[in-house]
Amino acid sequence: SAVISQKPSRDICQRGTSLTIQCQVDSQVTMMFWYRQQPGQSLTLIATANQGSEATYESGFVIDKFPISRPNLTFSTLTVSNMSPEDSSIYLCSVTPDREGQPQHFGDGTRLSIL
Amino acid sequence: RKEVEQDPGPFNVPEGATVAFNCTYSNSASQSFFWYRQDCRKEPKLLMSVYSSGNEDGRFTAQLNRASQYISLLIRDSKLSDSATYLCAVNAAGGFKTIFGAGTRLFVKA
Repeated sequence: SAVISQKPSRDICQRGTSLTIQCQVDSQVTMMFWYRQQPGQSLTLIATANQGSEATYESGFVIDKFPISRPNLTFSTLTVSNMSPEDSSIYLCSVTPDREGQPQHFGDGTRLSIL
Repeated sequence: RKEVEQDPGPFNVPEGATVAFNCTYSNSASQSFFWYRQDCRKEPKLLMSVYSSGNEDGRFTAQLNRASQYISLLIRDSKLSDSATYLCAVNAAGGFKTIFGAGTRLFVKA
């Protein structure tokens, strides 16, 4: 499976600031996904990021709050904007092979705490 | 009703025990099913895919029941290292989007 690297692995930020998380994959993939996992909760899909098109956001998530870039087939960024303590979470990127029905594989996550 | 539901547990079992988890899904058009393992403060890692005929990987057996819309995971001869959260995941037909359950917490004790 693909090797997926996320940066930073963790950060502590002040409220009102923004943080950009990077996700790098060692192979070309069409679809990348960004998830949030709040403490004690399961994974919540934020958006699907396909190269060459705008990201598709899930209900409850908007581009102004979580802008996403997907400049090529191996890289994506997620920005968490104007952060508040409620944004404290683990943020995960994942990829899936370009065939239906395949499992997703995750980066090692970014642990974000907002003071 | 949630698209994918799991008993959150926790399941507390002694070493050597057999434990089973179930996961129900609501979309009858779902085509692909998976079990993931997530250790505390780590990312989920694929444990196994679930095939229609059922599949086994060492101490782990996964089964699919399409009629009742659930998948199961059986762990035999539990080890301390099996302690983790187990997430089930379901792909809808014709798509790449995966829906995850909230996870079942397992504690294996000596």
